Amino acid sequence: AQSVTQLDSQVPVFEEAPVELRCNYSSSVSVYLFWYVQYPNQGLQLLLKYLSGSTLVESINGFEAEFNKSQTSFHLRKPSVHISDTAEYFCAVSVFGANNLFFGTGTRLTVIP
Amino acid sequence: ETGVTQSPTHLIKTRGQQVTLRCSSQSGHNTVSWYQQALGQGPQFIFQYYREEENGRGNFPPRFSGLQFPNYSSELNVNALELDDSALYLCASKRAGSSYNEQFFGPGTRLTVL
Repeated sequence: AQSVTQLDSQVPVFEEAPVELRCNYSSSVSVYLFWYVQYPNQGLQLLLKYLSGSTLVESINGFEAEFNKSQTSFHLRKPSVHISDTAEYFCAVSVFGANNLFFGTGTRLTVIP
Repeated sequence: ETGVTQSPTHLIKTRGQQVTLRCSSQSGHNTVSWYQQALGQGPQFIFQYYREEENGRGNFPPRFSGLQFPNYSSELNVNALELDDSALYLCASKRAGSSYNEQFFGPGTRLTVL
């Protein structure tokens, strides 16, 4: 069985400061990892994904995440946040051939002007 | 390319009633999944439909049922509504033949049960 842990339920950070949102997973088999972002009163948007290959993946809006197999982590980072990054961020895991995603409980990122 | 669409956007029902939520999958996608997102929680998998048949189910009772149509659109039906069914219901679709399970989500239907 798979599970995802997002230890930080809320992360406040000042504008232009760096941020890291933590995600740890548990699985006995190889996984695919995803970060989704949810803006207020909206659905989920795929932010970035790790499927295979390079362990560092990047999104078009400056976020990056690094897959660390030994630590079973997939932390999300951004070197300088903007007000518009305020949202809920969900880490999700899936395994090969599975038909569903397992989500963490989410981290609410609040960027303070 | 049209994304995943859902209707209605909001719905208010009372306990014991039945509800039907609708979803149109993204162009080129033939698999549809439904998730329930309770307030302050991550989405929870309800079930998935592929080729008009249920193709996997999460830990939800039988009063949660669904359909998929030949055009790959889908419905989620919930009978005998309970207060705890109040949540955002998300539909997600994925590309035919995708083994990575990369799913694309719609905006959701917010259901309130009074």
